[in-house]
Amino acid sequence: LAKTTQPISMDSYEGQEVNITCSHNNIATNDYITWYQQFPSQGPRFIIQGYKTKVTNEVASLFIPADRKSSTLSLPRVSLSDTAVYYCLVVANTDKLIFGTGTRLQVFP
Amino acid sequence: DSGVTQTPKHLITATGQRVTLRCSPRSGDLSVYWYQQSLDQGLQFLIQYYNGEERAKGNILERFSAQQFPDLHSELNLSSLELGDSALYFCASSVVRGSTGELFFGEGSRLTVL
Repeated sequence: LAKTTQPISMDSYEGQEVNITCSHNNIATNDYITWYQQFPSQGPRFIIQGYKTKVTNEVASLFIPADRKSSTLSLPRVSLSDTAVYYCLVVANTDKLIFGTGTRLQVFP
Repeated sequence: DSGVTQTPKHLITATGQRVTLRCSPRSGDLSVYWYQQSLDQGLQFLIQYYNGEERAKGNILERFSAQQFPDLHSELNLSSLELGDSALYFCASSVVRGSTGELFFGEGSRLTVL
């Protein structure tokens, strides 16, 4: 399983764009990059998944460079409700889904 | 609402006891995952089932066991409970066998061992 490294915490203010970068130097050809969001005392929620280039949905964008050794989750115009822990996962079609420690995002008014 | 139902939501018990946590996956989902999350800790993968069969094991203690029944609901059994077993236990389900699909998590069962 590819190891991921992401910042332990980040602070932002409402209305700003937040970019959380994840490093995954030993990503394999079959691996996908997936991000989950978790609020306190709740289960994680799938945000976005990509393989290469850029993926966008109604919640976020995911940027993946050509070498795929990193990825960036972009949250446009964050609000207080975006305060959460964000997990970057690199997954192949295996049966394990291992979460790291995640990035704790705190949004201030 | 993810569609995954976990019961009970809260459970308080004593050391040495045994408890069973139940998970009903989303309709149509064949895979069930169990995770443990202690206070301010990350999610620890415990075990995964697909269509009734165990597919992957994580750092699950020998005192813990799980199974998935023919109707696809799953149970996590925790025995000889210790204080350190106090945690949130999450169940997740997905329609596919592997992990590249989206996982839907339940709201968790909060276990407190006194």
